[in-house]
Amino acid sequence: QQQVKQSPQSLIVQKGGISIINCAYENTAFDYFPWYQQFPGKGPALLIAIRPDVSEKKEGRFTISFNKSAKQFSLHIMDSQPGDSATYFCAASTLGGGADGLTFGKGTHLIIQP
Amino acid sequence: EAGVTQSPTHLIKTRGQQVTLRCSPISGHTSVYWYQQALGLGLQFLLWYDEGEERNRGNFPPRFSGRQFPNYSSELNVNALELEDSALYLCASSLLHTQYFGPGTRLTVL
Repeated sequence: QQQVKQSPQSLIVQKGGISIINCAYENTAFDYFPWYQQFPGKGPALLIAIRPDVSEKKEGRFTISFNKSAKQFSLHIMDSQPGDSATYFCAASTLGGGADGLTFGKGTHLIIQP
Repeated sequence: EAGVTQSPTHLIKTRGQQVTLRCSPISGHTSVYWYQQALGLGLQFLLWYDEGEERNRGNFPPRFSGRQFPNYSSELNVNALELEDSALYLCASSLLHTQYFGPGTRLTVL
């Protein structure tokens, strides 16, 4: 049973546009939601993370929006640049220690067209 | 500060062989997680080590095993390799709840 559903699977955005990736989770015990960026041949790099006690967190061009009642969260990339082209993963875990590790979405392949 | 390091970078094995992958966490991190990233399956949790002990494992058979050393580095062992074990194996070290990933070891089983 997939506990974190991510969409879309792939996304093409024009340079300067807004990229939006959505995730939904099922396990209400999750209380830590990070986003990772992965370039080909590299390990995932932490972008930004949020806890459910806030509805939005912004770091530079990256914003997480969180809707606890809907059990959904999303990543917005403002002013998208070709260098943002990568695969993005949402994830979730329990803050208490993540005994089950991070549960990842299946990833979104983002292409920013110049 | 050095990040998470993994070795080797690439590995090619044949079915039935055994393999050992290595991970060095960020200095000061005592927890190490292992994940498998197979094509089409995303990242899946394999094992969690903390303070030298195996704390939890994901839904993988017992031929996937490992250990954590007193310096908090870790090994992942896979016995009786199968074709479907071909994947990128990622190690992450953790401080509190944040996990930082290494570059991974690409394992190809022929």
